Amino acid sequence: GAVVSQHPSRVICKSGTSVKIECRSLDFQATTMFWYRQFPKKSLMLMATSNEGSKATYEQGVEKDKFLINHASLTLSTLTVTSAHPEDSSFYICSARDITNYGYTFGSGTRLTVV
Amino acid sequence: AQSVTQLDSQVPVFEEAPVELRCNYSSSVSVYLFWYVQYPNQGLQLLLKYLSGSTLVKGINGFEAEFNKSQTSFHLRKPSVHISDTAEYFCAVRSIQGAQKLVFGQGTRLTINP
Repeated sequence: GAVVSQHPSRVICKSGTSVKIECRSLDFQATTMFWYRQFPKKSLMLMATSNEGSKATYEQGVEKDKFLINHASLTLSTLTVTSAHPEDSSFYICSARDITNYGYTFGSGTRLTVV
Repeated sequence: AQSVTQLDSQVPVFEEAPVELRCNYSSSVSVYLFWYVQYPNQGLQLLLKYLSGSTLVKGINGFEAEFNKSQTSFHLRKPSVHISDTAEYFCAVRSIQGAQKLVFGQGTRLTINP
């Protein structure tokens, strides 16, 4: 079945530094990928939709300059949290749309802790 | 726009008992419906989805769900649960046309007690 690899699974960084999270579709081409943020015991909040070769579409209230999304190929999307602060600490999950079966495959998530 | 309401934030049940997790949605257009399961510190795994056809959908791990258009519901059921079913369950919808993004409910924490 469709597999999405998300890396790293955990990262701890210092306040003010930037962190990059990668999301790869391993056995299918994903023209569209999604990035979510999940707070403890909460649902998934869609941050942005990324389309291969074009700019990401951000949801209302999400800072474009803080959460940089790049979708340069059909199998890779990256989320860069710039100048991270403790309030950016969260669980980030990516998802890729598999157009062959109307499915959405999720990565295993990245636990970001900013200290 | 679509919205999803999962009526129960927590559902405790005993092992081998049946369970139903409720999901209602609101949408002005036709939708696809999904149920996902999330284990601690992991991503989401698809349990089942309704695209069209038979309103009773069978998924993995013995789960099934029934699409009821008149009641705008998509409740998830399992006749006999196991300890390993303890997890967070999310109902989601997306419009058939237009935006491809999934809209999630708030989640239901299913706890199985021995």
